[in-house]
Amino acid sequence: AQSVTQLGSHVSVSEGALVLLRCNYSSSVPPYLFWYVQYPNQGLQLLLKYTSAATLVKGINGFEAEFKKSETSFHLTKPSAHMSDAAEYFCAVIKNNNNDMRFGAGTRLTVKP
Amino acid sequence: DAGVTQSPTHLIKTRGQQVTLRCSPKSGHDTVSWYQQALGQGPQFIFQYYEEEERQRGNFPDRFSGHQFPNYSSELNVNALLLGDSALYLCASRSRQANTEAFFGQGTRLTVV
Repeated sequence: AQSVTQLGSHVSVSEGALVLLRCNYSSSVPPYLFWYVQYPNQGLQLLLKYTSAATLVKGINGFEAEFKKSETSFHLTKPSAHMSDAAEYFCAVIKNNNNDMRFGAGTRLTVKP
Repeated sequence: DAGVTQSPTHLIKTRGQQVTLRCSPKSGHDTVSWYQQALGQGPQFIFQYYEEEERQRGNFPDRFSGHQFPNYSSELNVNALLLGDSALYLCASRSRQANTEAFFGQGTRLTVV
């Protein structure tokens, strides 16, 4: 079964610094991969998704992620952190259009002034 | 378009009671999935409904059941509530044919006392 592992339950960066949130997937077939953001007491908002069209995926709010098959990774990055980026981030995978999502445990991003 | 709407937003129940949570999918979506998100954890897949039938199920006991109506809205029922059922319950909808992206509601916060 497909799954994702997020390395680091908490990441803290300074405002303006690079954000790097790690996600590794386990799948026997090429997966669909997603990054979601969750603000306190809210649902999940899609940041970006990989569906095999391009390995570098650009999302909302300046985030992007690169699919690396050789490393089975889909790390999320943002060149310059903003205070409003502080939230919980989840990596998720589905195997095909009809399978439902499996989420990682999440990474809490803190941005220091 | 109101997006995915869930009701109620908050709920407090007593151990042993039964609860029903409701979800209206985003316009044009025909597939509804339910997730349980315990505090500090990633969402866990409960089940998925399509064409008024349960199509997939995660690792949840039979106390968790659901229904999908002809207008694609859905209910999640939990019987014999346990303290451990306290969580944020998220509903997600998508179009089975159109794309792989799921849109999430704001969730229902269930507290079992």
